[in-house]
Amino acid sequence: GAVVSQHPSWVICKSGTSVKIECRSLDFQATTMFWYRQFPKQSLMLMATSNEGSKATYEQGVEKDKFLINHASLTLSTLTVTSAHPEDSSFYICSASPGLVTDTQYFGPGTRLTVL
Amino acid sequence: AQSVSQHNHHVILSEAASLELGCNYSYGGTVNLFWYVQYPGQHLQLLLKYFSGDPLVKGIKGFEAEFIKSKFSFNLRKPSVQWSDTAEYFCAVNALSNFGNEKLTFGTGTRLTIIP
Repeated sequence: GAVVSQHPSWVICKSGTSVKIECRSLDFQATTMFWYRQFPKQSLMLMATSNEGSKATYEQGVEKDKFLINHASLTLSTLTVTSAHPEDSSFYICSASPGLVTDTQYFGPGTRLTVL
Repeated sequence: AQSVSQHNHHVILSEAASLELGCNYSYGGTVNLFWYVQYPGQHLQLLLKYFSGDPLVKGIKGFEAEFIKSKFSFNLRKPSVQWSDTAEYFCAVNALSNFGNEKLTFGTGTRLTIIP
């Protein structure tokens, strides 16, 4: 149980285009979903926290107009990287929690974004 | 802001050896503590967690961790490792963020290599 999927698993795009990444909780309803970014050989850095039907809460330093997050249902959250640039290339990981922010998070497999 | 330190970046052990991975955090308030594991090519999976109660917690696959509040530590242990334990291990702490919302803060991870 507690499976989280992400799509796509990898994407290559041209600079200036937008990319959408989906995160789904497959066998539970996710009250809260999270988006992380992981740089090579570094830890996961939280980008934003979202609750179904409300605006996401972004961490300090994360541009909310660049990284659009939509949590439309209890099983789906999307991250759209708008006007992507090479510095946005990274590994993006989502997680979902069936309860409060402090509850256990279940992680998706991640999406590798490469911006040319 | 809270931080998590994992002292060992890469640990190499032979099968059947005992394992202890260090994790220290800096936060003066109440915390929830987690160890996640990432096997090669797979997503993050929860090994064990501590919310309250007995500070010695047991997880999956024979792992355990001990919360020592006075030392701000949550070290991961296993008495006898197996080749299949080769993976990246992340310690994580859930504490209040700068915006007053709890968030999960990860350590930089420890790569464990088990030699058959």
